[in-house]
Amino acid sequence: AQSVTQLDSQVPVFEEAPVELRCNYSSSVSVYLFWYVQYPNQGLQLLLKYLSGSTLVKGINGFEAEFNKSQTSFHLRKPSVHISDTAEYFCAAVYGGSQGNLIFGKGTKLSVKP
Amino acid sequence: DTGVSQDPRHKITKRGQNVTFRCDPISEHNRLYWYRQTLGQGPEFLTYFQNEAQLEKSRLLSDRFSAERPKGSFSTLEIQRTEQGDSAMYLCASSPGQSYNEQFFGPGTRLTVL
Repeated sequence: AQSVTQLDSQVPVFEEAPVELRCNYSSSVSVYLFWYVQYPNQGLQLLLKYLSGSTLVKGINGFEAEFNKSQTSFHLRKPSVHISDTAEYFCAAVYGGSQGNLIFGKGTKLSVKP
Repeated sequence: DTGVSQDPRHKITKRGQNVTFRCDPISEHNRLYWYRQTLGQGPEFLTYFQNEAQLEKSRLLSDRFSAERPKGSFSTLEIQRTEQGDSAMYLCASSPGQSYNEQFFGPGTRLTVL
């Protein structure tokens, strides 16, 4: 079955440290990948997406992600985090042949400590 | 504000009652999706509309659930004979054009079934 796996449910990190949030997807001929962020008491907001082309994609707030087909991964990175990055991050995929419905991972709670 | 709106934001009901939620998508978006998010999980797809046509329903959508989008604009999600297991956040999202376009999410309706 098509799925998205986020291995880390919680990631604590100190302010200004780098962070990587891991995401793996099911191997597929066609897949589009997304990272969404959910701040406390707010709706989901798109951080970045990979459709095709360059495997390194840059998003808002200094985040970037790299599409790795051989490892079926789409890890999210930021070189230096801020307190304001504290939120829950969801990796999601649209698989080819679907109607565009997103398949989400379980989410990773990023806690940035001073 | 031209984002996706949902009403109500919170709903508390007793088991066995019927509830109805409303979603107003971004006006020019032809695609509308409903998702359900339970505690500690990522959103799960429920159903999809393209304009007024309901084109896909998840197996999660039992017979007690029905959704409509009568004029291709706002949508309603009704749950009949609610059960405690229906307690969740119900999210609506809309997007334009193609299946891989960004989905814009509303703030959600939190349902609590007592």
